[in-house]
Amino acid sequence: EAGVAQSPRYKIIEKRQSVAFWCNPISGHATLYWYQQILGQGPKLLIQFQNNGVVDDSQLPKDRFSAERLKGVDSTLKIQPAKLEDSAVYLCASSFGLAGGEETQYFGPGTRLLVL
Amino acid sequence: RKEVEQDPGPFNVPEGATVAFNCTYSNSASQSFFWYRQDCRKEPKLLMSVYSSGNEDGRFTAQLNRASQYISLLIRDSKLSDSATYLCVVNADYKLSFGAGTTVTVRA
Repeated sequence: EAGVAQSPRYKIIEKRQSVAFWCNPISGHATLYWYQQILGQGPKLLIQFQNNGVVDDSQLPKDRFSAERLKGVDSTLKIQPAKLEDSAVYLCASSFGLAGGEETQYFGPGTRLLVL
Repeated sequence: RKEVEQDPGPFNVPEGATVAFNCTYSNSASQSFFWYRQDCRKEPKLLMSVYSSGNEDGRFTAQLNRASQYISLLIRDSKLSDSATYLCVVNADYKLSFGAGTTVTVRA
């Protein structure tokens, strides 16, 4: 079974530029998550989708971050404009249902973003 | 106060040793608990769920103490391949909160 796919794997941009990340979840997984993991910290949830609807985006900095999952399958996360503190690994994860009970959350390899 | 707190370590142990570490959580209404493993520059992967009665998976034993709001992980007979960061994860209403991780290094 194919895992969660993410691209690009690495991205270097200058501050105030824009960047977009793409995620394709495991086939059949209705729930998709975007996390931000800063070096030395645990993953922090940015946004959670159930199919193409947003379940939780309470920690998404909406002035600069946006995400969509238009057809309920793959998703894009955008940062515009980027700041130095956005340097992190952006992890996409998916689960069949809502993770936390019997459902397991599977992570993609992540996109490493460096903002100069 | 952070939702999930862990001793960052590192715990440096020789092969064959036993190592144990804890995680504390702040939300008393949390319903389920997990340990994830994250290798250097890799994504987190589920290691094991933590059940109220405690549970084992091979050399790994997880315990939950709801009264004191902490979770523990014990690794017996450590292998070099156990070197990783162990993330404590707490679920409250299907919202997962991750700790910053405890780093374990097993040396030959």
